[in-house]
Amino acid sequence: GQNIDQPTEMTATEGAIVQINCTYQTSGFNGLFWYQQHAGEAPTFLSYNVLDGLEEKGRFSSFLSRSKGYSYLLLKELQMKDSASYLCAALDSNYQLIWGAGTKLIIKP
Amino acid sequence: EPEVTQTPSHQVTQMGQEVILRCVPISNHLYFYWYRQILGQKVEFLVSFYNNEISEKSEIFDDQFSVERPDGSNFTLKIRSTKLEDSAMYFCASSPGTDPVNEQYFGPGTRLTVT
Repeated sequence: GQNIDQPTEMTATEGAIVQINCTYQTSGFNGLFWYQQHAGEAPTFLSYNVLDGLEEKGRFSSFLSRSKGYSYLLLKELQMKDSASYLCAALDSNYQLIWGAGTKLIIKP
Repeated sequence: EPEVTQTPSHQVTQMGQEVILRCVPISNHLYFYWYRQILGQKVEFLVSFYNNEISEKSEIFDDQFSVERPDGSNFTLKIRSTKLEDSAMYFCASSPGTDPVNEQYFGPGTRLTVT
């Protein structure tokens, strides 16, 4: 079966760095997406990885290891507005996005 | 900045009724999607649509569901004979280009409540 695993909840301090991990098992693989979702709102795109390695985009970076079925999202210089759920989603061989349940990130002052 | 819009924002319907959820994708986008998210649960893919036909659909997307692009701007999801378990947030999304591997832009969602 297809499965995406990520921690349910994480807590971090404003100004700090946090890494949210994701492991995936899908039928085929066409890339890994990270989305941010504030409560009651739509997901918004953060990053896409299809090749191994680190993609950096401002305060956010995303890493992929295809051989390990593993990705992480790294958030630096955390701000209170970063409090949200972070969704890991893998694109399978049918180009369907398979979603994780999301990691709720709580930022404390 | 262009955005995906959805109407209504909230729809309440009685069990057994039919509902139509409407979406206006970003104008130059070619791929359209419907997802649902039951409260507190993960986002689930329903269907993708490209070139005026369904490209992919999940196991959830059975005969109860249908999609249509009735004109050049709207993209609709019809749910027939609604059930209590259809209560969820329904998100429409669109992406540019002819490649299904692309950033998807999500609309604000329609919250469907079946009573």
